[in-house]
Amino acid sequence: DVKVTQSSRYLVKRTGEKVFLECVQDMDHENMFWYRQDPGLGLRLIYFSYDVKMKEKGDIPEGYSVSREKKERFSLILESASTNQTSMYLCASSRLWEASNYGYTFGSGTRLTVV
Amino acid sequence: AQSVTQPDIHITVSEGASLELRCNYSYGATPYLFWYVQSPGQGLQLLLKYFSGDTLVQGIKGFEAEFKRSQSSFNLRKPSVHWSDAAEYFCAVGIKAAGNKLTFGGGTRVLVKP
Repeated sequence: DVKVTQSSRYLVKRTGEKVFLECVQDMDHENMFWYRQDPGLGLRLIYFSYDVKMKEKGDIPEGYSVSREKKERFSLILESASTNQTSMYLCASSRLWEASNYGYTFGSGTRLTVV
Repeated sequence: AQSVTQPDIHITVSEGASLELRCNYSYGATPYLFWYVQSPGQGLQLLLKYFSGDTLVQGIKGFEAEFKRSQSSFNLRKPSVHWSDAAEYFCAVGIKAAGNKLTFGGGTRVLVKP
């Protein structure tokens, strides 16, 4: 069964900490995405990547960075966590030119709480 | 830029009753259209998708959606709701020319009464 795996389901971090959220896919997909999900706001795109070492800003990149050193792994980094980054974070992947046609495969999400 | 609107934030429906979730999109041409479902504490699962052709699309779990070009809508329906359908539902559009990404609506949370 093909999968997108997010390393943590729940995380609690302190304000100012550097936080790493990890995502791994086993489908050999080129595209990988990081979204955050907040009540009433739906899913908002933070960053995406269409190739190793390539990244593009999404709609809300401020306060975040990403790393893609290997095709299967896409990491989201909160440089200095703040309470307004408390949210559900969803990772997704797709084939390079098929996101629009076939949609994404999503991970189960990481619920991050910053205290 | 394209946008997706789901007018209903919450819907409560009795078990066995019918369900309709609304989705409207804003884009000049016909986009690719998707419905996803998110069960509590889970990621999103694809219910169905529309590319072209027959405007009535069948999906998993007994759901269907109808594309209406004149209304820029892609509403999701289920004739008889089960308690396990309690979840949040997201409509999304994909436009290859817009960078091969999906744009999501704000979601509709469905509560099912016994």
